[in-house]
Amino acid sequence: DIQMTQSPASLSASLGETVTIECRASEDIYNGLAWYQQKPGKSPQLLIYNANSLHTGVPSRFSGSGSGTQYSLKINSLQSEDVASYFCQQYYNYPYTFGAGTKLELK
Amino acid sequence: EVQLQESGPGLVKPSQSLSLTCSVTGYSITSNYWGWIRKFPGNKMEWMGYISYSGSTSYNPSLKSRISITRDTSKNQFFLQLNSVTTEDTATYYCARYRTGSPFDYWGQGVMVTVSS
Repeated sequence: DIQMTQSPASLSASLGETVTIECRASEDIYNGLAWYQQKPGKSPQLLIYNANSLHTGVPSRFSGSGSGTQYSLKINSLQSEDVASYFCQQYYNYPYTFGAGTKLELK
Repeated sequence: EVQLQESGPGLVKPSQSLSLTCSVTGYSITSNYWGWIRKFPGNKMEWMGYISYSGSTSYNPSLKSRISITRDTSKNQFFLQLNSVTTEDTATYYCARYRTGSPFDYWGQGVMVTVSS
């Protein structure tokens, strides 16, 4: 199985700040990487697919980058509604695997 | 709009079977792939398996022979059965849709299942 190592586990930031979350795969996943946002009691929502493509309806302050084994999610100008958990997922190979998640809170 | 809704018992006894239904509206399950994912207490997530547009299935090897995913196309539903459950199977279970080579774009709201005597 491809292991996904996500960091940090938690993050505290101020409104308007830029935050970055990272995900490292145990092998090359050729941009088969998605980022999701999940708020308490809600289902995950797709933010980014193919490492850097913004899903329909997702604000442009979210962006993804990376290649090979290293990927990152950046949130520009943090808004209060961005408080959530974020996690990455590789879909390059089965079994699909997920990062452990990052809990983003407001400072 | 594509909508998925999980249903099933919230409490299952150890050694018994867990059975869940995912009801899909707004899209036919005879297209694309339909998966089950679970999120454990502590937030680890696990892809469990899928049933495809043609009815073929694929499962996470970690679940070995305990899992079965089936469907009823006449009702536009697909199902999860997990046998011989233990407390380790306590989780929130989600159904989701995806396309070949793509991530999960539509998710159900999730159903929490507790395995306890």
